Amino acid sequence: QKEVEQNSGPLSVPEGAIASLNCTYSDRGSQSFFWYRQYSGKSPELIMFIYSNGDKEDGRFTAQLNKASQYVSLLIRDSQPSDSATYLCAVLTNAGGTSYGKLTFGQGTILTVHP
Amino acid sequence: EPEVTQTPSHQVTQMGQEVILRCVPISNHLYFYWYRQILGQKVEFLVSFYNNEISEKSEIFDDQFSVERPDGSNFTLKIRSTKLEDSAMYFCASSDNRLEYFGPGTRLTVT
Repeated sequence: QKEVEQNSGPLSVPEGAIASLNCTYSDRGSQSFFWYRQYSGKSPELIMFIYSNGDKEDGRFTAQLNKASQYVSLLIRDSQPSDSATYLCAVLTNAGGTSYGKLTFGQGTILTVHP
Repeated sequence: EPEVTQTPSHQVTQMGQEVILRCVPISNHLYFYWYRQILGQKVEFLVSFYNNEISEKSEIFDDQFSVERPDGSNFTLKIRSTKLEDSAMYFCASSDNRLEYFGPGTRLTVT
């Protein structure tokens, strides 16, 4: 059973701070990693993806991947109250020899950014 | 910006009834998925569909479930005889072989 684990939180940070969200995964063969944001009652919204070890930055978001430790993280700089949401880590499991597959999600981390 | 659309947004049905949830994937995408999320729980994979056939399905996707792409734009999920435990948000997603984009979801309530 391939697992994706996240601390469910809630994680509370003040406005303007850096929020750090973490995720571990069990399938060492996983190659593609995603962060989705989900507001209450809404669908997951893709915000970051990362395939290679190291950091990937996009605006206020930085995704970090360490395949040796099977660890993915998301940093949100200059956090805003509008960033308050559940952040879902997802790992792509490829369908036998193909480049597409299904996403396995973690349970999500609830982030609250307070003014 | 292209997006995945789903109808209806909310479906209420009685136990034992059939429901069909509809999705219009992003037009140039070839890979389609259904996921579900029971209230307070993880998003769970149900089924993937490519080249007019199921490419993978989960243990949840039993004989009560079926998918179809009846024309060039729609992608449907049918639940033949709904159970109380089928109550959940059902999300359709489509992919360009790299990134999966989710529709807004259909909230299914089985009474």
